[in-house]
Amino acid sequence: NAGVTQTPKFQVLKTGQSMTLQCAQDMNHNSMYWYRQDPGMGLRLIYYSASEGTTDKGEVPNGYNVSRLNKREFSLRLESAAPSQTSVYFCASRLRGASTGSPLHFGNGTRLTVT
Amino acid sequence: KNQVEQSPQSLIILEGKNCTLQCNYTVSPFSNLRWYKQDTGRGPVSLTIMTFSENTKSNGRYTATLDADTKQSSLHITASQLSDSASYICVVSSSYSTLTFGKGTMLLVSP
Repeated sequence: NAGVTQTPKFQVLKTGQSMTLQCAQDMNHNSMYWYRQDPGMGLRLIYYSASEGTTDKGEVPNGYNVSRLNKREFSLRLESAAPSQTSVYFCASRLRGASTGSPLHFGNGTRLTVT
Repeated sequence: KNQVEQSPQSLIILEGKNCTLQCNYTVSPFSNLRWYKQDTGRGPVSLTIMTFSENTKSNGRYTATLDADTKQSSLHITASQLSDSASYICVVSSSYSTLTFGKGTMLLVSP
């Protein structure tokens, strides 16, 4: 049972390069999320998809785009990477919305460095 | 503005000792509070959820409490083990399905 799988695990980019972070879940969850985690900041929501076919901005969406490819897959794209985007990125999924009490299931993160 | 404050920021305890982590929140309207454990280099994993009507809930050596009147929660770890070394994150859900994350408490259990 893989849960939430993120690729790649590590990535180094130069300023201005683009890349896509991939995320897939095999739990038939409806909602998927992208977070970034920085030292002293905690987890911050970038984008989320409440259900297949919908995406919405979170707290820190600038510089990112997302695609909910199907129910399983939710990708995060950096069009022109900046050093401020150096972070650890986590994808998460949950069966239903937050108020229902469903837990978030996280992947193990992508560690991105932008030089 | 919804906020979650955790204390202490970091903690070092000897193996076998107990410890208590604190979470204070100002999230309205409150729906539930969940504690996550995040091992180094891994994603967070849910430990337990507390709803409005629950005061105490145990999960093995972990016991969570909730005081909805004072908007405080605690996570008590009994007879700590080296594997308890991790960051513990408090996350509060509102009835509008928004999540507010605390910054976490970093626990180090020393042999």
